Amino acid sequence: GAVVSQHPSRVICKSGTSVKIECRSLDFQATTMFWYRQFPKQSLMLMATSNEGSKATYEQGVEKDKFLINHASLTLSTLTVTSAHPEDSSFYICSARFGGLNQPQHFGDGTRLSIL
Amino acid sequence: EDQVTQSPEALRLQEGESSSLNCSYTVSGLRGLFWYRQDPGKGPEFLFTLYSAGEEKEKERLKATLTKKESFLHITAPKPEDSATYLCAVRPFGNEKLTFGTGTRLTIIP
Repeated sequence: GAVVSQHPSRVICKSGTSVKIECRSLDFQATTMFWYRQFPKQSLMLMATSNEGSKATYEQGVEKDKFLINHASLTLSTLTVTSAHPEDSSFYICSARFGGLNQPQHFGDGTRLSIL
Repeated sequence: EDQVTQSPEALRLQEGESSSLNCSYTVSGLRGLFWYRQDPGKGPEFLFTLYSAGEEKEKERLKATLTKKESFLHITAPKPEDSATYLCAVRPFGNEKLTFGTGTRLTIIP
């Protein structure tokens, strides 16, 4: 069964709206979660690494003021897309790793964000 | 910079027709190579982790192999439910970051 739950699965909203996406690890504690963005027929691109109780580490070219990440507990990380615009429309996916460093990341089912 | 190239981009097979998907990589010290399956509109589902050259892993009709430069995902006698995009990713030592390929979109025709 799923070990990572992501909500909502789909969001359609007007330009200028802020959107929050939740990522929960089920039945395990995740000190580190990851946020990805995926465009059609393209690879998953890491946006940021979310660490419980500390600031997220953003990849080069990702605006930290645009994509706010909060990892307030060992089972929940949130991504807020602030003042979203049509170019922010994409498929956002979170993942979490539990266990040792050699363990794989497990992914949520993604959030399809459409900005009108 | 770590790089992952997957081929072919798309593959159509008849049900029962075996084939292989390729993942070529360059990485500064491989900690692990991961295979995932992704269905449309869903997140990737973990399949295998390979750690060192010569290692093989199997699950049902899938077998993953690893060399120092590439990995293969062999699919034997596939069924329509094996249709999906298969993603390969590498993780270097000293870094939790995964670098993904663009995937192979596999279609199995009944």
